[in-house]
Amino acid sequence: EPEVTQTPSHQVTQMGQEVILRCVPISNHLYFYWYRQILGQKVEFLVSFYNNEISEKSEIFDDQFSVERPDGSNFTLKIRSTKLEDSAMYFCAAQGTGVTGELFFGEGSRLTVL
Amino acid sequence: GQNIDQPTEMTATEGAIVQINCTYQTSGFNGLFWYQQHAGEAPTFLSYNVLDGLEEKGRFSSFLSRSKGYSYLLLKELQMKDSASYLCAVRGSDSNYQLIWGAGTKLIIKP
Repeated sequence: EPEVTQTPSHQVTQMGQEVILRCVPISNHLYFYWYRQILGQKVEFLVSFYNNEISEKSEIFDDQFSVERPDGSNFTLKIRSTKLEDSAMYFCAAQGTGVTGELFFGEGSRLTVL
Repeated sequence: GQNIDQPTEMTATEGAIVQINCTYQTSGFNGLFWYQQHAGEAPTFLSYNVLDGLEEKGRFSSFLSRSKGYSYLLLKELQMKDSASYLCAVRGSDSNYQLIWGAGTKLIIKP
């Protein structure tokens, strides 16, 4: 069973539309992250979440982004008004509880903004 | 500033050995990670070093020198399925131990 499950795997949307990406981690993780990776570029940190609150966010994570944990298990990343440059893979990751604290990534949600 | 450098692309032959280097300059250090990422897929964890020396895990080994700000990932007995990007990431000591990511090294394996 994967540590983290993401939906949808691929979403195509029109510029200006709202998009919600979902992440379901196994319950024993404490730290969660959203990352973005534009095609061919490096992984970019968006936001981290601990104890049902945002613990840190990057300069990319501006007012058009929001993250919630509506039911105590699922995470959502909302992009309010998508732009062309929001086209990317969005990864949710959970931090392991072992000594290394490695990240377990979901399979990602590919967002295409037209 | 904080920076991680690794080669953009490397090519190696099936069955051979390849070493992918990573140098870093970060605010503090709390461990270095190597991840493998196949095209269109998520990164998967390969190795973790926090103390100087070599960590071996099957065909993959990772080395760390904290004084030099340097690590390498060594892949032995290369297989075609090892064709992927290899990402170096450092956990700093500020910003909630946030990971700082390198741009990744694309490894191409030829028969």
